[in-house]
Amino acid sequence: AQKITQTQPGMFVQEKEAVTLDCTYDTSDQSYGLFWYKQPSSGEMIFLIYQGSYDEQNATEGRYSLNFQKARKSANLVISASQLGDSAMYFCAMRELTGGGNKLTFGTGTQLKVEL
Amino acid sequence: DAGVTQSPTHLIKTRGQHVTLRCSPISGHKSVSWYQQVLGQGPQFIFQYYEKEERGRGNFPDRFSARQFPNYSSELNVNALLLGDSALYLCASRTPGHLYEQYFGPGTRLTVT
Repeated sequence: AQKITQTQPGMFVQEKEAVTLDCTYDTSDQSYGLFWYKQPSSGEMIFLIYQGSYDEQNATEGRYSLNFQKARKSANLVISASQLGDSAMYFCAMRELTGGGNKLTFGTGTQLKVEL
Repeated sequence: DAGVTQSPTHLIKTRGQHVTLRCSPISGHKSVSWYQQVLGQGPQFIFQYYEKEERGRGNFPDRFSARQFPNYSSELNVNALLLGDSALYLCASRTPGHLYEQYFGPGTRLTVT
């Protein structure tokens, strides 16, 4: 069974600083995808970044980058130059890519607060 | 283009009642998935539908059911509501061939009293 672990219930960062949100995963599949979503207080899940298990390069999307360490089964999200609008809940998720299914397994999330 | 829409946005029900939640995917998206997010936790997968057929089911009791219509919109039904069913119910849609482009709606917040 797949499992996602996020060990940081809450994080604080100063505006314009970088922050790393931790995520470790467990799966017996060879082919999988890793996702990070942002959830503001409004509730909508906003897709941030994706990393495939066979991708050799770490994924980047603007200020977001994913530090993928396959041997350690970790997929940490790095947010550079934090902004006040980055304050939200962040979820790491995984999906098996075999079988064509669409089930995402989520972690428990990290609440990020950006301070002045 | 309109995103994933869900209705209603908020709902209050009493234990034992039935509820129907609705989801309209992004135009052209044929796959719809439902998730339950209890306060303080990550979303839990309930169902996936593609081309009106169930393609996946999470670990939820038979009180939960869903269906997808010819226009790819979807309904989630929950019978005999329990207090523990209080949650944010999220719908997500994607189009085949796009492994990571899954878009979520704003959710329906269900409170069971």
